[in-house]
Amino acid sequence: EPEVTQTPSHQVTQMGQEVILRCVPISNHLYFYWYRQILGQKVEFLVSFYNNEISEKSEIFDDQFSVERPDGSNFTLKIRSTKLEDSAMYFCASSEWMGGETQYFGPGTRLLVL
Amino acid sequence: KQEVTQIPAALSVPEGENLVLNCSFTDSAIYNLQWFRQDPGKGLTSLLLIQSSQREQTSGRLNASLDKSSGRSTLYIAASQPGDSATYLCAVRANAGKSTFGDGTTLTVKP
Repeated sequence: EPEVTQTPSHQVTQMGQEVILRCVPISNHLYFYWYRQILGQKVEFLVSFYNNEISEKSEIFDDQFSVERPDGSNFTLKIRSTKLEDSAMYFCASSEWMGGETQYFGPGTRLLVL
Repeated sequence: KQEVTQIPAALSVPEGENLVLNCSFTDSAIYNLQWFRQDPGKGLTSLLLIQSSQREQTSGRLNASLDKSSGRSTLYIAASQPGDSATYLCAVRANAGKSTFGDGTTLTVKP
């Protein structure tokens, strides 16, 4: 069964460093999302992406964050200058179309900012 | 702003029991509602998706219902097993795009 994959599974970085989290969505899906979950808290929406553009973003997704689909398979989340509070599990998701379809989530990248 | 609440926060039952998890949401203008399972430190596994026009969905021992007008959904698990122990998350898509998640219900099924 097709699945969303994410790399790395864990990343430790120093405050102020840039990190890039990578995702490979399901191949025929057109809509991509990033969510995060701070330890012990709710899963929170960050951004949705379609046709090489951001469709929607939350208040969390400030200028420190960016997303990109650099080729036909990868979808990346970049955090330009990490803060301690960026430590969280980051989930990538994809869906065939936006609205009524199931969102399929990847296994997550656990980011720890020291 | 959509708010999603799940009750109870935690539930412990003996193996074999049937149980109900509850999810409520404040904005009834939704596209769909999805139930997920999350094991500790792991990703989200989709269990059931209910479209806004549907009343329920079933998969094996799981049955999810949706009452959009009252802003409620339930997840019914029949004949619970220790392997069902996990956190169950409810997520509502109230527009074309993002999902809003509840805090989850942590289920423990004791052998």
